[in-house]
Amino acid sequence: DIVMTQSPFSLAVSEGEMVTINCKSSQSLLSSGNQKNYLAWYQQKPGQSPKLLIYYASTRQSGVPDRFIGSGSGTDFTLTISDVQAEDLADYYCLQHYSYPLTFGSGTKLEIK
Amino acid sequence: EVQLVESGGGLVQPGRSLKLSCAASGFTYSNYVMAWVRQAPTKGLEWVASISTGGGNTYYRDSVKGRFTISRDNAKNTLYLQIDSLRSEDTATYYCAKDMRGWGPGTMVTVSS
Repeated sequence: DIVMTQSPFSLAVSEGEMVTINCKSSQSLLSSGNQKNYLAWYQQKPGQSPKLLIYYASTRQSGVPDRFIGSGSGTDFTLTISDVQAEDLADYYCLQHYSYPLTFGSGTKLEIK
Repeated sequence: EVQLVESGGGLVQPGRSLKLSCAASGFTYSNYVMAWVRQAPTKGLEWVASISTGGGNTYYRDSVKGRFTISRDNAKNTLYLQIDSLRSEDTATYYCAKDMRGWGPGTMVTVSS
């Protein structure tokens, strides 16, 4: 099974600041066939179901603000949220869908100071 | 608009069975891989099972193999999860997901005597 190691566990920032969340996979998520990384990022606000933010490591889902940026390749991935807003208060998860069983990172709780 | 609505959750005694349903609308259901993901109270996301477009291929996490059965009815645009021999550790909100991109609001399953 592919293990997803996500960090940090939590972070607290003020509005307008930038945050970085990391996800490391135990094996490469890069497909040699199409050169895509099978890594997605989700946002889960309190009391809500998860919402897809980023897929293929860096493609923003339709309607997602451009302050959410996904980057990385192979085994190391990053979600950057620039100009954090109060509405970004949520838990964030990475997911590898390169192979079964699909595995999530342990999550990062973003708090707003 | 994509809509996924789960149902069938509730309070169940250990060892009993339950069948969850997910009604899909707003997209061509038969064209998409579907999945179940669960989240225990205050815990992270955990992939449970996936099913191919035609239903011929199914995938499960190890901890549910032999107890959970994912199925779909493409004529009824409905996804199912049969859960047998329920355990306390199966207590969670169960989400239906379209291609791991769109998610329903979830249905809560509580296993307790």
